Amino acid sequence: AAGVIQSPRHLIKEKRETATLKCYPIPRHDTVYWYQQGPGQDPQFLISFYEKMQSDKGSIPDRFSAQQFSDYHSELNMSSLELGDSALYFCASISSGSVDEQYFGPGTRLTVT
Amino acid sequence: GEDVEQSLFLSVREGDSSVINCTYTDSSSTYLYWYKQEPGAGLQLLTYIFSNMDMKQDQRLTVLLNKKDKHLSLRIADTQTGDSAIYFCAESSRYALNFGKGTSLLVTP
Repeated sequence: AAGVIQSPRHLIKEKRETATLKCYPIPRHDTVYWYQQGPGQDPQFLISFYEKMQSDKGSIPDRFSAQQFSDYHSELNMSSLELGDSALYFCASISSGSVDEQYFGPGTRLTVT
Repeated sequence: GEDVEQSLFLSVREGDSSVINCTYTDSSSTYLYWYKQEPGAGLQLLTYIFSNMDMKQDQRLTVLLNKKDKHLSLRIADTQTGDSAIYFCAESSRYALNFGKGTSLLVTP
């Protein structure tokens, strides 16, 4: 079965640069969640989309923005990168209304130097 | 935000049962989840329980929920070395998940 695809898997950026992370959910899943997991930390919710509209917002910095496109893939745009943005960024692909139809991608490891 | 607490580390021998505990504070939690994360990998949903249930069994996994005490546990029967991973407890009352810090389970031969 198709899984959740995230690209790139690894990304190295310098401070003050920008980064774009992509998430391709499972076909027919209508909801995407983004989480940030710092080293040795639990995942923190950033933002979510349902049917291409933002549905919920967590601890996402103003420097970050995201959107979900017509093909349901989502992009997380990060600007003015800081050292503290170094983390693993996960997206979760969810079929709304089905609790167990949720799958996390492998994550994008972002390192800011 | 609301707190989800877990013990940080658990070590068991292969073949024994593992019990991972979790407490949460949000009384409006609707679902409670257990996820497994292996090194360098994403989060894998193991099981979940609806807040009006007190027990759920799924093969080697048993989830117990004490809603009064806001206490959740995951029991893994016949623990194998392949079960070594970090286990996250999470709750949701709306849509987004609120995770605990994770329990690192080490299974020794």
